[in-house]
Amino acid sequence: NAGVMQNPRHLVRRRGQEARLRCSPMKGHSHVYWYRQLPEEGLKFMVYLQKENIIDESGMPKERFSAEFPKEGPSILRIQQVVRGDSAAYFCASSPPSPGGGRETQYFGPGTRLLVL
Amino acid sequence: KQEVTQIPAALSVPEGENLVLNCSFTDSAIYNLQWFRQDPGKGLTSLLLIQSSQREQTSGRLNASLDKSSGRSTLYIAASQPGDSATYLCAVRKGNSGYSTLTFGKGTMLLVSP
Repeated sequence: NAGVMQNPRHLVRRRGQEARLRCSPMKGHSHVYWYRQLPEEGLKFMVYLQKENIIDESGMPKERFSAEFPKEGPSILRIQQVVRGDSAAYFCASSPPSPGGGRETQYFGPGTRLLVL
Repeated sequence: KQEVTQIPAALSVPEGENLVLNCSFTDSAIYNLQWFRQDPGKGLTSLLLIQSSQREQTSGRLNASLDKSSGRSTLYIAASQPGDSATYLCAVRKGNSGYSTLTFGKGTMLLVSP
């Protein structure tokens, strides 16, 4: 049973370009979470998605950032017109469906390191 | 707003020592608390999860305690080894009904020298 997969593992972009980060959850998991880890900072929650729905995007910047989790395929975190301050490690986590709400244990992927030049 | 603080920020010990990492949180209404390990350039590995009703959890040389009322948790590592060198993260999950996400501390960077 493969774990959470993220690709690419490293991504370099120039200012103004777009970055697309992909996350494939563990098999059977329908909940996906994205976190960002800035240099010298802890992980910060960005967005929580279930299949085809955004449940909570309170941690995601209002502009340039968007996320989706389509019925088929991986979850995508998209950053438009990247700036140097977007340089960070972006982690995805997934959890199985839970009748009691999304409080099941989260399993983390290896992260995507984004560097904006 | 929940805030999680970890001290020390960095710790260097010789191999074989027992050590304690500290985590404090401002809102005691938590569902559970989790300790993770993060190796450089890698993802997070869950070490121990303590439910709010529990006082401690043990796994091998690791023991995590939780004092919910005072907003504190400790991670005790016995007989440390160079392979324990990593960043240790503490995260809490809110206790309200429905879903909740994790709030992380900044971590303690541990170096165990041979």
